[in-house]
Amino acid sequence: GNSVTQMEGPVTLSEEAFLTINCTYTATGYPSLFWYVQYPGEGLQLLLKATKADDKGSNKGFEATYRKETTSFHLEKGSVQVSDSAVYFCALSPSLRAQKLVFGQGTRLTINP
Amino acid sequence: DGGITQSPKYLFRKEGQNVTLSCEQNLNHDAMYWYRQDPGQGLRLIYYSQIVNDFQKGDIAEGYSVSREKKESFPLTVTSAQKNPTAFYLCASSISGQGAWNEQFFGPGTRLTVL
Repeated sequence: GNSVTQMEGPVTLSEEAFLTINCTYTATGYPSLFWYVQYPGEGLQLLLKATKADDKGSNKGFEATYRKETTSFHLEKGSVQVSDSAVYFCALSPSLRAQKLVFGQGTRLTINP
Repeated sequence: DGGITQSPKYLFRKEGQNVTLSCEQNLNHDAMYWYRQDPGQGLRLIYYSQIVNDFQKGDIAEGYSVSREKKESFPLTVTSAQKNPTAFYLCASSISGQGAWNEQFFGPGTRLTVL
């Protein structure tokens, strides 16, 4: 079956620190991979995506590379800000035609000034 | 502005009562979804609809019902059969069809508390 596993949270960092949030997946076929972000009290927003192996998604200083050999899609940012505090969800879509997303459990990130 | 609206933001109901959560989108999207979010857990799919007058069960459909009479609306009813209905409910929509890479756009959510 399809599943997504994220690193356990919560994660607390100081401003300007380097961020990595690990995400690994299990899927049949060739899934698309996503990172969504949820700010307090809000719905989810798409942060970045990658639709095939070795694609790198990037947005707002965040990056993630689709690694088929390690079945991973780790989220990174070189210098985090207080405004990056949120819950981050890794997700996969089993194929470009599939309409269902499978989400990881989410990782809560807190950035201290 | 295009987007997804969910109402109300907070909802309180007594145990044993049915309650309907509203979801409206003006993005002209064909597909709509309902998810449930519990603390420390990811989102779990309740129901989804790819086209008007058609919908499918997701992973946790028991105790819920939906309708899709209009393209822009996808209300969710939480029935008294749902054993643990207190949760945060998120509605989403996406373009449907070949070539779509399935970005889902989310509403702000409704927090349901059953007393």
